[in-house]
Amino acid sequence: SQQGEEDPQALSIQEGENATMNCSYKTSINNLQWYRQNSGRGLVHLILIRSNEREKHSGRLRVTLDTSKKSSSLLITASRAADTASYFCATDAVSNTGKLIFGQGTTLQVKP
Amino acid sequence: DADVTQTPRNRITKTGKRIMLECSQTKGHDRMYWYRQDPGLGLRLIYYSFDVKDINKGEISDGYSVSRQAQAKFSLSLESAIPNQTALYFCATSDPGTSGSYEQFFGPGTRLTVL
Repeated sequence: SQQGEEDPQALSIQEGENATMNCSYKTSINNLQWYRQNSGRGLVHLILIRSNEREKHSGRLRVTLDTSKKSSSLLITASRAADTASYFCATDAVSNTGKLIFGQGTTLQVKP
Repeated sequence: DADVTQTPRNRITKTGKRIMLECSQTKGHDRMYWYRQDPGLGLRLIYYSFDVKDINKGEISDGYSVSRQAQAKFSLSLESAIPNQTALYFCATSDPGTSGSYEQFFGPGTRLTVL
C-alpha cells in the first residue's frame, strides 16, 4: 500500500513561476524525503526533512512538514524549464526504519 | 563512473522465460533494494536486503526472487516472466551515513518488456 499520496498528479506552469507539490502520509515517520525523476531515469534525492523539523531549504527548494496533519509540501521557486520532471515524496516510517515508501508522484512541466 | 549500475538497460523477453536483472554498486552500502515502476503507480518495493545475509520481501514479491551475491551485488530474477511484469525496474542502495538518515541512491533502471 502507498504511504504517500501526492497532489496534484500533474502541474504545468510558466518559467519563473513557483511550483508547489503536496504529499500526505499515514503513519508516524522518522523523516520524509523528496526525489526527482527525469523521464525514464533513476530517481535523484533532493532533500530530507526529519520529523522534528518544520521547514528546510536547499537552493530554490523549500520543504515544509506538518506532522500533526501528516503532510509535507515541496516548493520550487523561480522555476526553470530544466525543472521539468516527476517529483516523489518518500517516507521512512518509524515502524520500518530505512525502508522508504514512495508516493505516486507529481509530474511537473515548466514551459519556457 | 556511475555508483549504481544496472544490466541490462533494456530487455524484451517472452512469456515463460527466466530472466535476471543485475545491480552492482561501488558506494560500499550495506542496504540494497529492488523496485518496479508502473505508470501512475510510483515505485513499489519488490525485495530489500539490509546486508548479505538479510533479505526481505517487499510489497510485491510474488513472481520474483533475489540473490545477494556480495555486498556490491544484488540480482533480481523473474522465474517465469508474464506480461504484467512489463515495467521499469530500479535498484537502489542506502546507508545511514553520519546523520542516520537513509537517503537512497538509484541506478539508471532496466526497462523490461514481456511479450
